[in-house]
Amino acid sequence: DGGITQSPKYLFRKEGQNVTLSCEQNLNHDAMYWYRQDPGQGLRLIYYSQIVNDFQKGDIAEGYSVSREKKESFPLTVTSAQKNPTAFYLCASSTQTYNEKLFFGSGTQLSVL
Amino acid sequence: AQSVTQLGSHVSVSEGALVLLRCNYSSSVPPYLFWYVQYPNQGLQLLLKYTSAATLVKGINGFEAEFKKSETSFHLTKPSAHMRDAAEYFCAVSDLVTGGYNKLIFGAGTRLAVHP
Repeated sequence: DGGITQSPKYLFRKEGQNVTLSCEQNLNHDAMYWYRQDPGQGLRLIYYSQIVNDFQKGDIAEGYSVSREKKESFPLTVTSAQKNPTAFYLCASSTQTYNEKLFFGSGTQLSVL
Repeated sequence: AQSVTQLGSHVSVSEGALVLLRCNYSSSVPPYLFWYVQYPNQGLQLLLKYTSAATLVKGINGFEAEFKKSETSFHLTKPSAHMRDAAEYFCAVSDLVTGGYNKLIFGAGTRLAVHP
């Protein structure tokens, strides 16, 4: 089945630690995204990538980093600079067509120890 | 910049009652609009999308939404609520960015509770 796989489902971060969230898709989509979800705030865009080896900052990129070395993969690193990392993180992908829908993974819940 | 406002963070209905979830958008150009649903601890699934072909859009699970340009609204409705409809619902507008691809701007979400 085609889809988006996020791992792990739950992740815990210690003070000063960087952690990496995995996102893999087998939909052959060019565009991939990372969203952060906090209760009552909807989804906010962290980073997006339209093509391999290229990515752009979203609305809340500070304290995060990404890479896009392969079309299928778009890992997100939450760095120690992100002072409030506890949230639900969602990865998504889409074709390059303007009005096409996003396909979402099942998310990673990140908490601080 | 595009934005989306969802009126009511929580909506509670009885099983069998009408569901109405409100969404207003701000857009300087004809928008593409979406409704997504999120069940607990899961990602989002597309319910329906508006792409200017018809103002009344039918989606999955018996939901539909009507695009009203004069009111800048895209409210989601379902004639008869079912217990399985309990979830969080997000309205989103597509923002055109460099390269012509769709960056979605999401509303804050409305949590729908359905009681017997």
